Amino acid sequence: EAQVTQNPRYLITVTGKKLTVTCSQNMNHEYMSWYRQDPGLGLRQIYYSMNVEVTDKGDVPEGYKVSRKEKRNFPLILESPSPNQTSLYFCASSHLELTGFPTEAFFGQGTRLTVV
Amino acid sequence: GQQLNQSPQSMFIQEGEDVSMNCTSSSIFNTWLWYKQDPGEGPVLLIALYKAGELTSNGRLTAQFGITRKDSFLNISASIPSDVGIYFCAGHWGTYKYIFGTGTRLKVLA
Repeated sequence: EAQVTQNPRYLITVTGKKLTVTCSQNMNHEYMSWYRQDPGLGLRQIYYSMNVEVTDKGDVPEGYKVSRKEKRNFPLILESPSPNQTSLYFCASSHLELTGFPTEAFFGQGTRLTVV
Repeated sequence: GQQLNQSPQSMFIQEGEDVSMNCTSSSIFNTWLWYKQDPGEGPVLLIALYKAGELTSNGRLTAQFGITRKDSFLNISASIPSDVGIYFCAGHWGTYKYIFGTGTRLKVLA
């Protein structure tokens, strides 16, 4: 079954304690990205990756890091989480269209993060 | 930065009614996407549009890529209770970044 898998689904942590949210896809997609979703703001892109070792900032990258060492995995790293990073996070993946651009087609189930 | 205005923010409709929602962008988009999100789930892609003027259907859903390339519309015909959820538009303007609208929350009265 084609899927994007995020772990954990729920996480409560304390300010400043480094954490990693994992994301894995089994569709051999080139493009992967991370979003955060906050009430009234929709989804905002944090980082995206065009392929292995190719990553770039989205609209809200501050306070986050990513890595793409393997095609299937795209972890989101919060080096020093703060309460304003409390949010619902989604990982997504897609292939690249003939245009060379992605169609954001597959989203994970989400990770609800609370930073206290 | 780029902005997407999605309207309406929420709507109540009677079962069987048709629904329309739209998104407008402050700049020209190359791709428009429409998603539905159910509570506790990730967004699910409904329709993808790649050309200005394109009209695409997916069952009872029809979406159009506006001629100006700055807007898109989603119509749902003969709504049913399972149409309840949040609908998002999204798009990009020829970069690899995606922008999402703030969503239209649809509530159906049976």
